[in-house]
Amino acid sequence: QITLKESGPTLVKPTQTLTLTCTFSGFSVSTMGMGVGWIRQPPGQALEWLAVIYWDDDKRYSPSLKSRLTITKDTSKNQVVLTMTNLDPVDTATYYCAHIAYSNFGDYWGQGILVTVSS
Amino acid sequence: DVVMTQSPLSLPVALGQPASISCRSSQSLAFSDGNTHLTWFLQRPGQSPRRLIHKVSNRDSGVPDRFSGSGSDTDFTLEISRVEPEDVGTYYCMQSTHWPLTFGGGTKVEIK
Repeated sequence: QITLKESGPTLVKPTQTLTLTCTFSGFSVSTMGMGVGWIRQPPGQALEWLAVIYWDDDKRYSPSLKSRLTITKDTSKNQVVLTMTNLDPVDTATYYCAHIAYSNFGDYWGQGILVTVSS
Repeated sequence: DVVMTQSPLSLPVALGQPASISCRSSQSLAFSDGNTHLTWFLQRPGQSPRRLIHKVSNRDSGVPDRFSGSGSDTDFTLEISRVEPEDVGTYYCMQSTHWPLTFGGGTKVEIK
């Protein structure tokens, strides 16, 4: 059974760096075809893909946020980490991680973590 | 970026009645692997999205057969044959043929 869970700070000050961790079970991100993605959703708004990392360390980023995002994986800990720099109040959102298997995106999602950016 | 346009924004439906949601993409979603990577999600209030259908018409495990997906190229539809109370929420389409992946703006289904 595949599960994912996001963790990290729920309140961040403007200009600070956000580090979110996705801890998962039921698959290995070192297995061919596997990957993890990050998605966010501002309150009352639609979903937005942020970044994806694959088993072979291939990484894809949202072009509009690429300069601020870094995605990494730790296969020994079954974790994927997303770092976002220079936070702004518009980055306030629920952040989700999701499982990827080959070209199948989002068959399993974490519960999400609400991150508020405020001074 | 591929723009995904959903309609309607809001869809009031009586219980037991059918519902239909449209999703249009600004580019063809046909991929070189022969698949069309169009996915539908349902997000119930206060919950994470749940995948319903992938590759246009493939229902995920446990998804009731009252849900069906169809379409091709740039024009796609999600249909619910008979709306049940648990179908209330916001439906999103998503394309994964082109990077970056993009979602539609969502269609909120409510009971009339």
